[in-house]
Amino acid sequence: DAGVIQSPRHEVTEMGQEVTLRCKPISGHDYLFWYRQTMMRGLELLIYFNNNVPIDDSGMPEDRFSAKMPNASFSTLKIQPSEPRDSAVYFCASSNTLLRRNSNYGYTFGSGTRLTVV
Amino acid sequence: GNSVTQMEGPVTLSEEAFLTINCTYTATGYPSLFWYVQYPGEGLQLLLKATKADDKGSNKGFEATYRKETTSFHLEKGSVQVSDSAVYFCALGLDSSYKLIFGSGTRLLVRP
Repeated sequence: DAGVIQSPRHEVTEMGQEVTLRCKPISGHDYLFWYRQTMMRGLELLIYFNNNVPIDDSGMPEDRFSAKMPNASFSTLKIQPSEPRDSAVYFCASSNTLLRRNSNYGYTFGSGTRLTVV
Repeated sequence: GNSVTQMEGPVTLSEEAFLTINCTYTATGYPSLFWYVQYPGEGLQLLLKATKADDKGSNKGFEATYRKETTSFHLEKGSVQVSDSAVYFCALGLDSSYKLIFGSGTRLLVRP
């Protein structure tokens, strides 16, 4: 298995531009999570999906952020318009219900997208 | 609320030294506890876990014991290696939400 695949690995954009981050979860996993990592706040959960449906988006910072999961193999996190304070590493992780029931959780993380907004 | 507190880093040790990274938690209910490790340029990887009080998780020479009475899950290793240099995250999970709540991370630097 190729694991959780995120793209791009690095993104540099100008303030005000739209940014789209992409994630392909592990096949068969029905949970998908988006996290943001910064020095100031550490690792924050932004939103998570179960069976492509958003379950908890309470961590999404503001309306400029949106996330979608149109099918089981693809999710996007969009920032429009982007601001310098959005600069961070964004991680996607996936897991499945069987792992949860075994109290394993078993999150598998992608390698992250490092976003720099200038 | 639910939260995890870790000791601040960086922790700098010489090779073969003993490692302890402290982690305490606050949670409603009975959480599962985890340690994740992040190597430079990579995502987080599960290192070990414990799902109930007095359980000991272990992996790659690392150990942590779930202490309900002190609400702690300290990470230990008897003899660290240069290759252990990474950022270590303590986390808790609640079955009611299936979210993992992470601590702020502790950077470990092991010198030869």
